[in-house]
Amino acid sequence: DAKTTQPPSMDCAEGRAANLPCNHSTISGNEYVYWYRQIHSQGPQYIIHGLKNNETNEMASLIITEDRKSSTLILPHATLRDTAVYYCIVSLYSGAGSYQLTFGKGTKLSVIP
Amino acid sequence: NAGVMQNPRHLVRRRGQEARLRCSPMKGHSHVYWYRQLPEEGLKFMVYLQKENIIDESGMPKERFSAEFPKEGPSILRIQQVVRGDSAAYFCASSLDTYGYTFGSGTRLTVV
Repeated sequence: DAKTTQPPSMDCAEGRAANLPCNHSTISGNEYVYWYRQIHSQGPQYIIHGLKNNETNEMASLIITEDRKSSTLILPHATLRDTAVYYCIVSLYSGAGSYQLTFGKGTKLSVIP
Repeated sequence: NAGVMQNPRHLVRRRGQEARLRCSPMKGHSHVYWYRQLPEEGLKFMVYLQKENIIDESGMPKERFSAEFPKEGPSILRIQQVVRGDSAAYFCASSLDTYGYTFGSGTRLTVV
């Protein structure tokens, strides 16, 4: 499974865009990039995922570089409720057809009033 | 849709007792996953189950831990003879297929 590298922490002013980077230089061709976040001690929340193309949903945008070695999660207008640990994950396919999500330390995003 | 329901939210057990953690997946979801989060660490995969079958238990400790997902009822993660090192948050997730988990709120196990 490919490993990811994220900065341990970031600050963002409320109302501004939060851009969270992730490096995954060893990603293989059939692996997706997933983003989850964990607010305080709650269960992780799915945000978005993508393979090659940029993706956008109601929560965020995901920009994947052409070589797929890195990606950026964009929260267009950060609010205080977006303060959380954000995990960038590359999916791992086991032989049984399931996949495991390997969570690293993530990036602790602090949205500042 | 009530989402993924886990209970209890908090569980305290003395060393040597058994802990039983329950997870009811979202309606219609047949895939269940258990993860463990130790304090100040990321989540670690434990086991993946479908109804009545364990599909992947590569993350489960070899002893004392077991999981099931019966035809009827919730998925159960059982920890026998708990030790202090088992203290953690245990999260269950479910999915309709093998993409896109929905996580529950977790069970915080404290072993005293």
